[in-house]
Amino acid sequence: DTGVSQNPRHKITKRGQNVTFRCDPISEHNRLYWYRQTLGQGPEFLTYFQNEAQLEKSRLLSDRFSAERPKGSFSTLEIQRTEQGDSAMYLCASSLRTSGAHEQFFGPGTRLTVL
Amino acid sequence: DQQVKQNSPSLSVQEGRISILNCDYTNSMFDYFLWYKKYPAEGPTFLISISSIKDKNEDGRFTVFLNKSAKHLSLHIVPSQPGDSAVYFCAASIVGNTPLVFGKGTRLSVIA
Repeated sequence: DTGVSQNPRHKITKRGQNVTFRCDPISEHNRLYWYRQTLGQGPEFLTYFQNEAQLEKSRLLSDRFSAERPKGSFSTLEIQRTEQGDSAMYLCASSLRTSGAHEQFFGPGTRLTVL
Repeated sequence: DQQVKQNSPSLSVQEGRISILNCDYTNSMFDYFLWYKKYPAEGPTFLISISSIKDKNEDGRFTVFLNKSAKHLSLHIVPSQPGDSAVYFCAASIVGNTPLVFGKGTRLSVIA
């Protein structure tokens, strides 16, 4: 399978706990994006990387959120001291930055439930 | 303030007929537009896109039309099939390949 993969697919945690999600992009893609989707909404941008550099962070990304892409391949998104409002689907996407390629390809997502 | 708006939460169409999904945007800086399809418990799947220098792009049963003066785009699916039943998201970007801004989606139901 050469698509974007995300692990775990589901995570249930108690309020106050830390969680970490992993995303493996399509292998030749140099850009990696994190989005969050809640019920009835479209995906909302959180942050993105080009290779290992984090280029932009949304105002949605509070201090409790941190993302890394240490070797320019896979990425992790950590949420510290989770709150019930963090319950959402966390989506990862990747793309290849060329003059003609604009499409982002999404993984299946990680559904987080904070109790 | 929502920059990409899909004002119809749902749409029902008979199999074989045309489905028309609409999207409006407010930011005139957007220069690339995309449509994604999403099934439950899966990530969005890319369908079709259009650059702001074009007014139409076609791929099989899917055609996207862009009206820049009206800041409006639409996705036409002809003929509609039951497997097209899903949530469709309109998305836009500035200077291509930067973060996408999504609408809230339209749930399409194709009835056999």
